[in-house]
Amino acid sequence: AQSVTQLGSHVSVSEGALVLLRCNYSSSVPPYLFWYVQYPNQGLQLLLKYTSAATLVKGINGFEAEFKKSETSFHLTKPSAHMSDAAEYFCAVTRILTGGGNKLTFGTGTQLKVEL
Amino acid sequence: KAGVTQTPRYLIKTRGQQVTLSCSPISGHRSVSWYQQTPGQGLQFLFEYFSETQRNKGNFPGRFSGRQFSNSRSEMNVSTLELGDSALYLCASSPQRDSGGADTQYFGPGTRLTVL
Repeated sequence: AQSVTQLGSHVSVSEGALVLLRCNYSSSVPPYLFWYVQYPNQGLQLLLKYTSAATLVKGINGFEAEFKKSETSFHLTKPSAHMSDAAEYFCAVTRILTGGGNKLTFGTGTQLKVEL
Repeated sequence: KAGVTQTPRYLIKTRGQQVTLSCSPISGHRSVSWYQQTPGQGLQFLFEYFSETQRNKGNFPGRFSGRQFSNSRSEMNVSTLELGDSALYLCASSPQRDSGGADTQYFGPGTRLTVL
């Protein structure tokens, strides 16, 4: 079974500081990994996706994530936090199902707070 | 392109009632998945529809059902509502261009269901 673990349910950073949100995965096959962001009272917005084409994946809004097989990690980073980055972030892994299609398995989420 | 739309956005029901939620996928997308989001259980996969057929199903009781129409629009139904069904129900669509690979799922804003 595939799973992801997000370390830290709450992360607080100062505006302008580095953002680092941690995600470790468990998968018996090469995984497809995603980061989504959720703003209050909204759905999930895709930040970036790893599909084995490149280990460093760049996403929207200045975010990027690096796939490290040796560490089974896919941490999300942003060099300089902005107030608008305050939201909940979800790491997810997917597997292709026998009958086709795929389902996402999500981590428990990390609430990012950005302080002045 | 317009994004995934879900109606209604908010819904209040009482225990024992049934409810139907609607999802319109991104134009051209053939797969629709449903997820339940609660504070206690997080994001959980309900089911996926493709070509008007339920292709994959999560671990939810039979009170949860759905269908997909020929235009790829989807509905999910919950019968005999329980207090624990209070949640944000998210719909996601993906292109499903081929049977392999992990298509990105694009999420709607969700329907907030409150069961009293």
